[in-house]
Amino acid sequence: GAVVSQHPSRVICKSGTSVKIECRSLDFQATTMFWYRQFPKQSLMLMATSNEGSKATYEQGVEKDKFLINHASLTLSTLTVTSAHPEDSSFYICSARELQEYSPLHFGNGTRLTVT
Amino acid sequence: AQSVAQPEDQVNVAEGNPLTVKCTYSVSGNPYLFWYVQYPNRGLQFLLKYITGDNLVKGSYGFEAEFNKSQTSFHLKKPSALVSDSALYFCAVRDSEGYNFNKFYFGSGTKLNVKP
Repeated sequence: GAVVSQHPSRVICKSGTSVKIECRSLDFQATTMFWYRQFPKQSLMLMATSNEGSKATYEQGVEKDKFLINHASLTLSTLTVTSAHPEDSSFYICSARELQEYSPLHFGNGTRLTVT
Repeated sequence: AQSVAQPEDQVNVAEGNPLTVKCTYSVSGNPYLFWYVQYPNRGLQFLLKYITGDNLVKGSYGFEAEFNKSQTSFHLKKPSALVSDSALYFCAVRDSEGYNFNKFYFGSGTKLNVKP
């Protein structure tokens, strides 16, 4: 089946530093990838839609200068949390869909970000 | 507007008993419906989907779901629950038409507790 790999699984960083999270589709091509944020005991919040070769589409209320998204190839999207603050601590999950019309989303295992 | 509702935050069931996790949806066109399961500190795993055809769809780990168009519901079921089924379950819908046809909308999640 389709596999999405996300790295790192866990990262701790200091306030003010930047953190990059990678999302790769291992055995399929994904022109679109999605980045979600999940707060404890809550549902997924869509942050942005990453489009290969073009700018990402951000959801309302998500700061595009803070959460930089790059989708440089059909198998790789990255999310960079810039100048991280403790309130950015969260669980970030990426997902991708195969090109077939009815394909489900396939999710990475998530990244637990802790900003100290 | 597209939306998904999971009316129960938590469902408790004894091992061996049947389980149902409820989901209702709202879309403009025909719905594409999905169920996912999430274990602690992991991404979401795809269980099953409904696109068209037979209203009862079967998925992974013995789960099935029934599409009911008149009630706009897509409840997840399993005839005999296992303790290992304890996890967080998400229902999702994707609209078949419209500006947001590529987006997946997730419910708030239902925590399933299966007691021995």
